[in-house]
Amino acid sequence: AQRVTQPEKLLSVFKGAPVELKCNYSYSGSPELFWYVQYSRQRLQLLLRHISRESIKGFTADLNKGETSFHLKKPFAQEEDSAMYYCALSGLANAGNNRKLIWGLGTSLAVNP
Amino acid sequence: GAGVSQTPSNKVTEKGKYVELRCDPISGHTALYWYRQSLGQGPEFLIYFQGTGAADDSGLPNDRFFAVRPEGSVSTLKIQRTERGDSAVYLCASSLTTGGNNEQFFGPGTRLTVL
Repeated sequence: AQRVTQPEKLLSVFKGAPVELKCNYSYSGSPELFWYVQYSRQRLQLLLRHISRESIKGFTADLNKGETSFHLKKPFAQEEDSAMYYCALSGLANAGNNRKLIWGLGTSLAVNP
Repeated sequence: GAGVSQTPSNKVTEKGKYVELRCDPISGHTALYWYRQSLGQGPEFLIYFQGTGAADDSGLPNDRFFAVRPEGSVSTLKIQRTERGDSAVYLCASSLTTGGNNEQFFGPGTRLTVL
């Protein structure tokens, strides 16, 4: 079955603390993994994709194929990081350039002052 | 340029009525996706258009749901005989499909409430 699991619905940390949002996936094939973020009253936007291997806003995520994980990490959380974070995957080999996304339930991150 | 737009932003209807939700993608984006997000859930895929054709409609829950994209730009999601369980935020996303840049850009969503 194709599935994305985010085990934590809510994660609360203090400003300056490290943060890790967990994501595990199940997919038979070659997936591309993403993190999307939704700030309050804003639309969903792409934060990271595993293929680009970038650090965005201090966040990084490494694809671990052995553990089928794509956890999102930031060493020092900021208050402006408070948002809803969704892990998602699409199939690299999908026919016809179809990149439909399979989503986790999301984790609400609250960074407290 | 402008991002993906969706209208209306909110729609309240009565059970059994017909509704249409509109999505205006980013100009030049050939791929268009519809997703549905119920309260407390992640988005769920509904349908994918490549140009004018629905290349994957496997996510449509039943035959009350239908979507069109007649000129390869604006898309309309149509729901017949609405049910209370159809209440959700309907999201539209568009992307380029050439090269490796297939980032999906999302609209603000239409919040549908079926009374």
